[in-house]
Amino acid sequence: EDQVTQSPEALRLQEGESSSLNCSYTVSGLRGLFWYRQDPGKGPEFLFTLYSAGEEKEKERLKATLTKKESFLHITAPKPEDSATYLCAVQEGGDTGRRALTFGSGTRLQVQP
Amino acid sequence: ETGVTQTPRHLVMGMTNKKSLKCEQHLGHNAMYWYKQSAKKPLELMFVYSLEERVENNSVPSRFSPECPNSSHLFLHLHTLQPEDSALYLCASSQVPGTGRARQYFGPGTRLTVT
Repeated sequence: EDQVTQSPEALRLQEGESSSLNCSYTVSGLRGLFWYRQDPGKGPEFLFTLYSAGEEKEKERLKATLTKKESFLHITAPKPEDSATYLCAVQEGGDTGRRALTFGSGTRLQVQP
Repeated sequence: ETGVTQTPRHLVMGMTNKKSLKCEQHLGHNAMYWYKQSAKKPLELMFVYSLEERVENNSVPSRFSPECPNSSHLFLHLHTLQPEDSALYLCASSQVPGTGRARQYFGPGTRLTVT
């Protein structure tokens, strides 16, 4: 059974204080690892997809990296508008790979001015 | 605006009511999904439709009944719900290419409260 564990559960940063969010996963054959951002009362908004260990992707202040067991979402010099819940999800691969995603519980990030 | 719309955005219903949630995608995708998001719990997959055929049913109680009349529309019919069914219900869609590597686009969700 696929498992996704995110840490920390909640994180409070000062504006400009860089940090990283962790996503550990267990899956039989990774087809893709996805990062989403979710604001209160809204649906998840896509950020990145990573497919293989060693891959990195960047968007503005965010950078996602992937190893065989975990992914990190690095936030450099965050701003208050980066406050949100960040969700990690995996898609299983293989011949019988499911199309749906298995999500972690998320990291609730608050950036204070 | 992700191209996936959901109505209503908020719904309050009694345990004896029957209601339906609607999802529509304008992205030309051929797979659609229902997820449930409860407070402090991960998103839980409920149903998957691919090419209008239900391909996954994640042990969801029969009081939830999905319907996918075409590749652009998805419904979730609700009846005799319980208070613990109160949650944010999210619809998503994706393309289903041969490799299956398809990102999912989410709608804004329907906030359901069962009284």
